Amino acid sequence: DAKTTQPTSMDCAEGRAANLPCNHSTISGNEYVYWYRQIHSQGPQYIIHGLKNNETNEMASLIITEDRKSSTLILPHATLRDTAVYYCIVGGQGGSEKLVFGKGTKLTVNP
Amino acid sequence: SAVISQKPSRDICQRGTSLTIQCQVDSQVTMMFWYRQQPGQSLTLIATANQGSEATYESGFVIDKFPISRPNLTFSTLTVSNMSPEDSSIYLCSVWGSGANVLTFGAGSRLTVL
Repeated sequence: DAKTTQPTSMDCAEGRAANLPCNHSTISGNEYVYWYRQIHSQGPQYIIHGLKNNETNEMASLIITEDRKSSTLILPHATLRDTAVYYCIVGGQGGSEKLVFGKGTKLTVNP
Repeated sequence: SAVISQKPSRDICQRGTSLTIQCQVDSQVTMMFWYRQQPGQSLTLIATANQGSEATYESGFVIDKFPISRPNLTFSTLTVSNMSPEDSSIYLCSVWGSGANVLTFGAGSRLTVL
């Protein structure tokens, strides 16, 4: 079973920041937080991941709380092309580690 | 990250037939993962394919229905056997990239069973 809880859907205005929350209260000490998105039934696209520290890349920022029980994905300036289902996943890294997907958040960016 | 090619990208199949999906990776990887995504649903892991051994199936998935081959470190196939309309889904393969820190997905194979 998925170890994360996300809102079913969210809306965001184009050009504004989109903040997508995720709860993962049972995360283990060696598990990472991953974010993927899926646009219209394409293969999931990796966005960002982190262990303890906040992370930023060209796509997004990831804010992980100090107790690691929740996180927030931030898309700083959402565009219409960011409309997608966003999945927050916790799991190990590499090798035989398997990632279990939850239901995700459907983000709709409105003009 | 790894580059994954899946074939076919889509197909329409008749009930009772079988279809084999191919997954080719541009680098050698130990494990390959097969997922299913039913219409309007999230991804569900079918099995983990390890080269040189039988695949490990998740609860609810059996080898007779979803036989998997893994002949080498860059290739795997998933067969959907004796298909029914309930098998209409997108099937995706995935691997950990060469840096082992990102799980990369293929574009998926969309199957429609009539």
